[in-house]
Order: sequence, then C-alpha cells, then structure tokens
Amino acid sequence: GQNIDQPTEMTATEGAIVQINCTYQTSGFNGLFWYQQHAGEAPTFLSYNVLDGLEEKGRFSSFLSRSKGYSYLLLKELQMKDSASYLCAVVDSNYQLIWGAGTKLIIKP
Amino acid sequence: DGGITQSPKYLFRKEGQNVTLSCEQNLNHDAMYWYRQDPGQGLRLIYYSQIVNDFQKGDIAEGYSVSREKKESFPLTVTSAQKNPTAFYLCASSIGTSGSDEQFFGPGTRLTVL
Repeated sequence: GQNIDQPTEMTATEGAIVQINCTYQTSGFNGLFWYQQHAGEAPTFLSYNVLDGLEEKGRFSSFLSRSKGYSYLLLKELQMKDSASYLCAVVDSNYQLIWGAGTKLIIKP
Repeated sequence: DGGITQSPKYLFRKEGQNVTLSCEQNLNHDAMYWYRQDPGQGLRLIYYSQIVNDFQKGDIAEGYSVSREKKESFPLTVTSAQKNPTAFYLCASSIGTSGSDEQFFGPGTRLTVL
C-alpha cells in the first residue's frame, strides 16, 4: 500500500529552528508538496520538490531525497504565526496526490 | 480577486437528509477536487473533475455525488447513504490536470450531522 509518515505533533520555541520530516512509500514518485494549514482554514502551498536537494524560500526550506523516500521542511526564525499543521503530499505514478496526516507545530514564546 | 469560494462555512444536517456544498472558482482552472478531512487523518479524495461534464471517483466516493456543468462550479452532494458525514470538506482547483500542479483550496465547509 501507499504510506506517508509524519510526526503527529512537534513543539518549538519562538525564534528557533525546527525540522519536520516526511517519509513515504508510494507506487512511483512524481513530486512532493508541503502545505501549511492553520486550524479550521484552507491549506496553502509552501513548496514543491521533484529533484533531490534543498530548495530555499525565505524562512522556509524543503529538502528531498528520492533514494531514501524522505523529505523535510525546515522553518527558521520561528514566529508565533507559524503555529499550524504542515501537510506532506506525494504525487504517485498515476499523478494522484497521496496525503500525509500532517504535523501539528506548536510554537511557544 | 481570483480565488475559490465555498459555502456555507458551517452546515448542520439531520440524519437522512441530503445536503449540497457549493464550490466556485474564478481562476479559470480546469481541474477541481473535493476532499474530506477528519482529525488525525490526511486529506482523502472524494471526487475530482478534469474537464466540464466529466468527473472521476476518488478513494471515498460512496455516499457522495458531484456535477460539473460549468468550469467554475463543482458542487458536492452528501447523500443519506454516507454513514459518517460529519467532517471538514475542502474544495480545491488546479490549473492543469496533472497531480504535479499546485492545488488552491477553498476555505472549507464544516458539516455536522445532528
């Protein structure tokens, strides 16, 4: 079967750095998305990786290793507004999106 | 402003009633999707449409129906056959029909069955 694993919940301190991991086992791979979702709101796009390596976008970076079936989202200089769930989603061989359950990130002052 | 809208934001339904959730987009996107989100679970695909007058079942289509008569609109009907309909429903659209295209989400409708 297809599976995406993320930690259920993480806690970090304002101003710090946090890394949210995502591992996947899917039938094929055609890219990986990270979305941010504040409680009760719509998910919003953060990043898309299809090639190995690190992509940086402001305070957020996303890394992909296809050989390891692994990605992480790195958030720097954490702010209180970064408290949200972070969803990892993989595009499989049929170009369908497979979603992880999401990681709830709690930021403490 | 271009975007995707859903209505209503909150919806209450009695058991045995059908209810229709609205989804409209003015982004000129070809593809539209309906997801269901339950606590502790990933988004699950109910139905998707890649073109007007055509739609496909997702992973959990039983008890739901959709139509795509216009490019801008993709309403979802939750029928009385859906055994556990209380959930947060999200509509999304993407410019292309490939899963590699970024999806834009509406604000969601929270459905509660009383």
